[in-house]
Amino acid sequence: NAGVMQNPRHLVRRRGQEARLRCSPMKGHSHVYWYRQLPEEGLKFMVYLQKENIIDESGMPKERFSAEFPKEGPSILRIQQVVRGDSAAYFCASSDQANTEAFFGQGTRLTVV
Amino acid sequence: KQEVTQIPAALSVPEGENLVLNCSFTDSAIYNLQWFRQDPGKGLTSLLLIQSSQREQTSGRLNASLDKSSGRSTLYIAASQPGDSATYLCAVRSGTSGSRLTFGEGTQLTVNP
Repeated sequence: NAGVMQNPRHLVRRRGQEARLRCSPMKGHSHVYWYRQLPEEGLKFMVYLQKENIIDESGMPKERFSAEFPKEGPSILRIQQVVRGDSAAYFCASSDQANTEAFFGQGTRLTVV
Repeated sequence: KQEVTQIPAALSVPEGENLVLNCSFTDSAIYNLQWFRQDPGKGLTSLLLIQSSQREQTSGRLNASLDKSSGRSTLYIAASQPGDSATYLCAVRSGTSGSRLTFGEGTQLTVNP
């Protein structure tokens, strides 16, 4: 049973480009969470999704950021027109229910140049 | 709004010492509390999960306690080893349906040989 899989592990984008981060939850998990960890800072909640639904996106910036978790395939975190301040590690977690143990992926480290 | 605080921010101990990491949270209406380990440049590894109805959990040399009424948890590490060196993160599940996982800033532990 593979864990939470995130890809790519490292992503470099120039300012103004789009970044697409993918997350495949653990088998049997239908709840996905995205977190951002800025350099030298803690993990901050961004968005919580269930299959095909965004449940809580209160931690996500209103502009340029979007997330989806389609019926088939991985969850996607999309950042449009990236800026240097978007450089961070983005972690995905999954759980089988809303309030059970969360398992994290290895993260995607985004660098904006 | 749930806030999680971890003390100390950094800790350096000689190998073999027993140590305690502290975590406090402001809203006692939690579903559970998880302790994670994060190695530099890596993802998060779940160490222990304590449900709100539980007082403690043990795994090997690790023991985590929870006092929900006072908003506190401790992670006890026995007979520390250099391989225990990492950042330890405390996270609480709260909010609507327990969907929100709120992290502390972490304790950076160094165990010296």
